[in-house]
Amino acid sequence: GENVEQHPSTLSVQEGDSAVIKCTYSDSASNYFPWYKQELGKRPQLIIDIRSNVGEKKDQRIAVTLNKTAKHFSLHITETQPEDSAVYFCAAADISNFGNEKLTFGTGTRLTIIP
Amino acid sequence: DAGVTQSPTHLIKTRGQQVTLRCSPKSGHDTVSWYQQALGQGPQFIFQYYEEEERQRGNFPDRFSGHQFPNYSSELNVNALLLGDSALYLCASSSFFQETQYFGPGTRLLVL
Repeated sequence: GENVEQHPSTLSVQEGDSAVIKCTYSDSASNYFPWYKQELGKRPQLIIDIRSNVGEKKDQRIAVTLNKTAKHFSLHITETQPEDSAVYFCAAADISNFGNEKLTFGTGTRLTIIP
Repeated sequence: DAGVTQSPTHLIKTRGQQVTLRCSPKSGHDTVSWYQQALGQGPQFIFQYYEEEERQRGNFPDRFSGHQFPNYSSELNVNALLLGDSALYLCASSSFFQETQYFGPGTRLLVL
């Protein structure tokens, strides 16, 4: 089955600087890669996702890049703000047959923004 | 438009007991997936329900079972609880042919 590794496990960044979180996946069939943000005691919330037919996707201060050959994808947050402090999870799925398939998650990155 | 809801929010059980957790999907969604999130870990897929049937299952024992009702809501049942079942149980709802999954707030289960 799919295995997703995520690094780093913790990341501290000065407010205004950029943060990068990296994930690798093992199953070449995976073609959908969402990122979720989970604040303490709250539900995971989808912040951005990318399909394998796209190399990069951007939404305001957040971007995701995908390297299918190397089987890795990354989350980039620019101009970080205190409200970006949370745990971030990457995930992978094969959505070839149906749109909705099980997500395999990484172990999470605790991002702390230092004011 | 109501989002995904789950009940109860917290639950304390003792080893060997049975528990039932409930999930109501987002309006317009027909698929419910259940995940277990241990402390400090990413969510792990338990199973998915669509058209009242279990469509996919992760690496969880038969003690974990579920059900989906005609209104698309779902239950997760866990029998013979173990200490290791203590976790946050999340349900995620979606439309069957779309990949985006929306999570509920979770039920935090503590097994003593």
